[in-house]
Amino acid sequence: GAGVSQSPRYKVAKRGQDVALRCDPISGHVSLFWYQQALGQGPEFLTYFQNEAQLDKSGLPSDRFFAERPEGSVSTLKIQRTQQEDSAVYLCASSMATGGVYEQYFGPGTRLTVT
Amino acid sequence: QKEVEQNSGPLSVPEGAIASLNCTYSDRGSQSFFWYRQYSGKSPELIMSIYSNGDKEDGRFTAQLNKASQYVSLLIRDSQPSDSATYLCAVLNSNYQLIWGAGTKLIIKP
Repeated sequence: GAGVSQSPRYKVAKRGQDVALRCDPISGHVSLFWYQQALGQGPEFLTYFQNEAQLDKSGLPSDRFFAERPEGSVSTLKIQRTQQEDSAVYLCASSMATGGVYEQYFGPGTRLTVT
Repeated sequence: QKEVEQNSGPLSVPEGAIASLNCTYSDRGSQSFFWYRQYSGKSPELIMSIYSNGDKEDGRFTAQLNKASQYVSLLIRDSQPSDSATYLCAVLNSNYQLIWGAGTKLIIKP
């Protein structure tokens, strides 16, 4: 079956532009996670959905970051008025998260560069 | 103190030897533990999960968990150059949050 897919794979934005990053999780996975990864660091948690409900958004760095998953499948991470410090790889992961199974599976990521 | 700590490396191991990667965590209520491999420019790939004390083997990989000492390790037997990557430890803490270490860079020398 298909894994987690993300689009676009690469995005260059001028400072101040809005961007939207898409994640399509593994079919049947109820949990979806967004992470930000800087070079040489582990993934940093941004937000988490269980189905369509956003249960934790404590990792979103500012109110310029917004995520949604309106139908409990595809999710979009939106960054408004991008800044240079937003440049990073944005990773999406999905998980069954039921029956004690919490393994997360990652998409290929979107590399965002803000110029 | 970070919740999950790993030595950043690089850890250099000769081809064919055993590579030993370690991870410590601070939340004693943590319940699930994962090792991911990340090649440069790629996303993390799950290689092992372990939930109970002791060893879990999968091919050339063995995960070891010691909850009393709050550490989890990954052993790679018969190391191959293709094992060269960054290995990330992730711990599901008592709040069901997955906390990540910064990763250990492993280099297998032919």
